[in-house]
Amino acid sequence: SQQGEEDPQALSIQEGENATMNCSYKTSINNLQWYRQNSGRGLVHLILIRSNEREKHSGRLRVTLDTSKKSSSLLITASRAADTASYFCATGNNDMRFGAGTRLTVKP
Amino acid sequence: NAGVMQNPRHLVRRRGQEARLRCSPMKGHSHVYWYRQLPEEGLKFMVYLQKENIIDESGMPKERFSAEFPKEGPSILRIQQVVRGDSAAYFCASSQKAGGLYETQYFGPGTRLLVL
Repeated sequence: SQQGEEDPQALSIQEGENATMNCSYKTSINNLQWYRQNSGRGLVHLILIRSNEREKHSGRLRVTLDTSKKSSSLLITASRAADTASYFCATGNNDMRFGAGTRLTVKP
Repeated sequence: NAGVMQNPRHLVRRRGQEARLRCSPMKGHSHVYWYRQLPEEGLKFMVYLQKENIIDESGMPKERFSAEFPKEGPSILRIQQVVRGDSAAYFCASSQKAGGLYETQYFGPGTRLLVL
């Protein structure tokens, strides 16, 4: 398995704006998952997108997957201060690999 | 339905001591994974266990680190003779089935180890 890499490393927006984070990986995958981590807390699973899917929605979250470019994006619409967290993408199966994450700050 | 439980949440050890981190998977989950997160870094896989078996320990340091998941009781990550570089957050995750095409790993709150 190989590691996802997120960009940007840090993102600061105003409440109500949309936030887009990207993830790139290097080899073929079966699925890609996004997680959120609040400061000092554990990870929370947000969404899983399979390799044969191109887009998936969950509430205010929208994930896209482009296997030809080996990239995924996470869009959070109408952001809230409570969305302030680090967001990680992860690839692989038993031994999921994580990137360093994108640190999102949503200012009230 | 309780989630993944880890204890202790915070652990302070002096150099040379032993650290024992415990993880109780979600009910019905028999697959456990351990990850380490150094400050300002992403999570790194350490080991994957099923009950009484180590399936993949490719991410475990060769020395001082060991893990077990006995038939009864929690999974234990053991670090012997800790050094300052072991200071990190250690996360446990569990899944119902083997990690695969559609399987999600659910994470615990982590144990933050500080080595003085």
